[in-house]
Amino acid sequence: QVQLQESGPGLVKPSETLSLTCTVSGASVSGYYWSWLRQSPGKGLEWIGYIYYSGSTNYNPSLKSRAAISVDTSKKQLSLRLSSVSAADTAVYFCARFFRGFDSWGQGTLVTVSS
Amino acid sequence: EIVLTQSPGTLSLSPGEKATLSCRASPSLSSSYLAWYQQRPGQAPRLLIFGASNRATGIPDRFSGSGSGTDFTLTISGLEPEDFAVYYCQQYGRSPWTFGQGTKVEIK
Repeated sequence: QVQLQESGPGLVKPSETLSLTCTVSGASVSGYYWSWLRQSPGKGLEWIGYIYYSGSTNYNPSLKSRAAISVDTSKKQLSLRLSSVSAADTAVYFCARFFRGFDSWGQGTLVTVSS
Repeated sequence: EIVLTQSPGTLSLSPGEKATLSCRASPSLSSSYLAWYQQRPGQAPRLLIFGASNRATGIPDRFSGSGSGTDFTLTISGLEPEDFAVYYCQQYGRSPWTFGQGTKVEIK
């Protein structure tokens, strides 16, 4: 069965760039859409964007072009970079596979934005 | 952007009772690209229903989804102890994909 694991710093300073990695095991990256999502008490679940295994992307315009998602099919990893972060970006970040809904999720990683 | 409004915010029921959760879309979803998720405390969401009415792999048949257009419903017929959780609807018919704010099903 597919497993996803997020990793990255748990603390990021305001105005800096948040960088997270998601490692996929138990399944191929090919043929699927892969997403990043986040969840904060104030805003609930928010879709950040997706990347198709071929590299095409689509982002939530609410992030005002601050997000960038990439995929390395050989390493079976996807990455998220979110620039110019503020306290409003504090959340649990999830990576997930999309196949007729988000059918597989990572456990999530808490990222706090604070100086 | 499609806004999903879930009701009620909290549903207080006893084990064995039937739960009916609502998700209203504005504007209307032109396709049935709506999913339902269950989230227990400290866990990631779990896909229950896709395409408005199709159960995901491994989901018990006490969970069912229905609806189209603007009104969608998740029904849990006979609540089990593990079903007390938060439920979210999500649309993937139009970008940006969006979620409802959630309905908490709690033990009465």
